[in-house]
Amino acid sequence: GESVGLHLPTLSVQEGDNSIINCAYSNSASDYFIWYKQESGKGPQFIIDIRSNMDKRQGQRVTVLLNKTVKHLSLQIAATQPGDSAVYFCAENLNFGNEKLTFGTGTRLTIIP
Amino acid sequence: DSGVTQTPKHLITATGQRVTLRCSPRSGDLSVYWYQQSLDQGLQFLIQYYNGEERAKGNILERFSAQQFPDLHSELNLSSLELGDSALYFCASSVGQEDIQYFGAGTRLSVL
Repeated sequence: GESVGLHLPTLSVQEGDNSIINCAYSNSASDYFIWYKQESGKGPQFIIDIRSNMDKRQGQRVTVLLNKTVKHLSLQIAATQPGDSAVYFCAENLNFGNEKLTFGTGTRLTIIP
Repeated sequence: DSGVTQTPKHLITATGQRVTLRCSPRSGDLSVYWYQQSLDQGLQFLIQYYNGEERAKGNILERFSAQQFPDLHSELNLSSLELGDSALYFCASSVGQEDIQYFGAGTRLSVL
C-alpha cells in the first residue's frame, strides 16, 4: 500500500553546518513530492517540490534529491540557521493532479547555536 | 503568513457536541483542502473542494462534513464529537487542482 516514512525522527545539527533529512516512499506510482516545514504553533509551510521526471531541484539554501530506483527522497539544507529548527515533512501525490497528499511522520530538526 | 485564514484558533468542547471550523483561502485560490493532525496519526487528508464542488475524499469520518461556499470560504463540521477527535485541523488552499497547497495556522480542537 501507499506509505511515506522518514528514517530519522530527530536530527540535531550545529549552526552553519549542512543538514540532510531523508524520506522513503513505497508507492512507485507517486510522481510528485513536496517538502513542508512546520514550526511550533504554525501550519506546514511549503519549502520545495519535485516531480518524478527530475532527480534534483534546488531552491534558496535547499536542495531536494529524488532517487526513484530506491524510492528515496532527501532534503538538504545548507548553512543551517536557528530559524531552520522545525519539523520537516515529506509528502507525495499518487499522481500530479490528484491532490490528496500523503504525509510522512516528520523529522524534528534542531539547530544547535 | 500564508494568506490562508482559519478560525477559531482554539476550540474547547465536550463529547457529543458539534463544532464548525472555518477557512478562508488565499485570494484567487479555488481549491480548499482539510487535514487533521494528531500525535498518533500525523497529517491526514480529509477532503478537498474545488470551486464549490467536492473533488477528493480521504479518511473522513461520516460524523464530519464540509462544504465550500460561493465566496470560496469553507467550513468543516464535526459532530457527535469524541475524545479521539482532539487534534489540530488544518485548511490549505491552492490556485487550481495541480498547484502547491498553502496551509493556514490551524484550529486546535480539544474535546473534553
